[in-house]
Amino acid sequence: DQQVKQNSPSLSVQEGRISILNCDYTNSMFDYFLWYKKYPAEGPTFLISISSIKDKNEDGRFTVFLNKSAKHLSLHIVPSQPGDSAVYFCAASRSFNKFYFGSGTKLNVKP
Amino acid sequence: EAQVTQNPRYLITVTGKKLTVTCSQNMNHEYMSWYRQDPGLGLRQIYYSMNVEVTDKGDVPEGYKVSRKEKRNFPLILESPSPNQTSLYFCASSSIPWGSARQETQYFGPGTRLLVL
Repeated sequence: DQQVKQNSPSLSVQEGRISILNCDYTNSMFDYFLWYKKYPAEGPTFLISISSIKDKNEDGRFTVFLNKSAKHLSLHIVPSQPGDSAVYFCAASRSFNKFYFGSGTKLNVKP
Repeated sequence: EAQVTQNPRYLITVTGKKLTVTCSQNMNHEYMSWYRQDPGLGLRQIYYSMNVEVTDKGDVPEGYKVSRKEKRNFPLILESPSPNQTSLYFCASSSIPWGSARQETQYFGPGTRLLVL
């Protein structure tokens, strides 16, 4: 059973608007969460992370929100750019040993 | 340049023929890990290592072996590959965030696409 789920396989957004990618998890013991971006034929690259002691972390156009009571994680990209078009994976870990990834959301930012 | 390298990048083999995929990192990272990516399933962790001579199973370890004799290398071994191990494999490495406020992430290699006939 998947412990980290991304229920939207794809998302299409107009350039300049906000992209919101969602992720749900089942294990309340997870204490570290990450978002990765992946282009075709490349390895995933790190975007942003958040530890369970926080509920928000911001880095430029990217903000991650953590709602522990709902076991929900979201990534906001504002403003969205065509170069943001990629597959986005959320991941979770407990004490930084095993990592669990979602199945990914393919974001398409239209010019 | 800080990087994780994997070899080979592409491999076609036959059922039962032992193979090794190498992974090397030049960042002096303690943590290394192997993942496989399959359509609709995302990335699933196969094995990970917290340091030299310390390895542990991830979510899908069956049919795989690893070793960590040196800090920089973490090879993935398929003793008797089967068609269900056809997949895209990624190696990753990271420092370990010993403090709760410290942020670390895994750096991924470019991937190895394996086809087992």
